[in-house]
Amino acid sequence: EAGVTQFPSHSVIEKGQTVTLRCDPISGHDNLYWYRRVMGKEIKFLLHFVKESKQDESGMPNNRFLAERTGGTYSTLKVQPAELEDSGVYFCASSQDIGRPSGSGEQFFGPGTRLTVL
Amino acid sequence: AQKITQTQPGMFVQEKEAVTLDCTYDTSDPSYGLFWYKQPSSGEMIFLIYQGSYDQQNATEGRYSLNFQKARKSANLVISASQLGDSAMYFCAMILYSSASKIIFGSGTRLSIRP
Repeated sequence: EAGVTQFPSHSVIEKGQTVTLRCDPISGHDNLYWYRRVMGKEIKFLLHFVKESKQDESGMPNNRFLAERTGGTYSTLKVQPAELEDSGVYFCASSQDIGRPSGSGEQFFGPGTRLTVL
Repeated sequence: AQKITQTQPGMFVQEKEAVTLDCTYDTSDPSYGLFWYKQPSSGEMIFLIYQGSYDQQNATEGRYSLNFQKARKSANLVISASQLGDSAMYFCAMILYSSASKIIFGSGTRLSIRP
């Protein structure tokens, strides 16, 4: 079974440009999450999709970030325009359940996209 | 406020020794789960072990065990007989079932195993 995949693995862009990150969750996982880790800081939650609906987007830093999950399969995270402080690693995760009583809510992570904004 | 604290930014351990990575958490929710993830240099996040707040016994997965002390709000990871391949970043994380979504991560501990 394929795991969570993310594309690209690395992206280097200039300030002001637009970048779109893609995440393909594990097949059959309705829950999809975006997280990011900026340099030297904790991994922070960005948002959570259940199928194509945004369940929780409380972690999105500002309106330069737009996440979509059309059709409830893969998701994209667009940053427009990118700023220097957006540099970091963006992780996507998916899960089959959200936790008790149906399960642990374990989230399976992708390898991340390393974004560098110059 | 919900928070995960990992007080060891880095650790060096001799190969074959046991190592304990510290993790304390803060939440007022009665229902939560605790995870440990390993992040090798390649960058992917690998699930290691899970402990539910209502679980009576400490979780174990092969060489990994979670020393869960609920009253102290600690969830330390114990790796027995460390191997060179254990060198990586380790993250303690908490999921709150009342919020049904996000995982809260600690800042991580970089573990280096010496041959």
